[in-house]
Amino acid sequence: KAGVTQTPRYLIKTRGQQVTLSCSPISGHRSVSWYQQTPGQGLQFLFEYFSETQRNKGNFPGRFSGRQFSNSRSEMNVSTLELGDSALYLCASSLIGRDFFDGETQYFGPGTRLLVL
Amino acid sequence: DQQVKQNSPSLSVQEGRISILNCDYTNSMFDYFLWYKKYPAEGPTFLISISSIKDKNEDGRFTVFLNKSAKHLSLHIVPSQPGDSAVYFCAASHGWNQGGKLIFGQGTELSVKP
Repeated sequence: KAGVTQTPRYLIKTRGQQVTLSCSPISGHRSVSWYQQTPGQGLQFLFEYFSETQRNKGNFPGRFSGRQFSNSRSEMNVSTLELGDSALYLCASSLIGRDFFDGETQYFGPGTRLLVL
Repeated sequence: DQQVKQNSPSLSVQEGRISILNCDYTNSMFDYFLWYKKYPAEGPTFLISISSIKDKNEDGRFTVFLNKSAKHLSLHIVPSQPGDSAVYFCAASHGWNQGGKLIFGQGTELSVKP
């Protein structure tokens, strides 16, 4: 079974631009979560989508948005890029994202490395 | 507010010895904990997990211990191998309604010397 895939793997943008990142979850997984990893802040939760609906959201400004399609693929968008948005953006998928207590696990993709100049 | 803390940014261990990675948390509502391993330029890889109703879970060389009263968990790797050198993250989740959200520690970089 193929793992979580993310495209593109690397991206360079300039301040003020906007960017769209894509994530394809493991087949059959319906929950997709996004995280931002920076050296200073570690991995921080951005948002989670399930059945095309945002179900949970972290503490990020409205410039960060996302969506999920009927095939569970997800995109995240960052508008008006700032230097501080330079980070590794990770996507993770799980079956339904609500049964961690019963052993469900989140599986991560390789990430998209975004550099904002 | 750092709800999950890994206070040791790095750890160096000799091959064959035990590696112990520690994690503390502040939120008593957390009911599930996971450990991930991350190599550079790759996404985190799931290692092992434990629910709050248990105090120990083993999987091969990896054992996770949970001390709820101390709000502390640890990952033991025995014996340590050079291939275990990576950054290890502990993560926690709480409540059925916190769907899809894991709260991560800052990570501990483990170096296993041959």
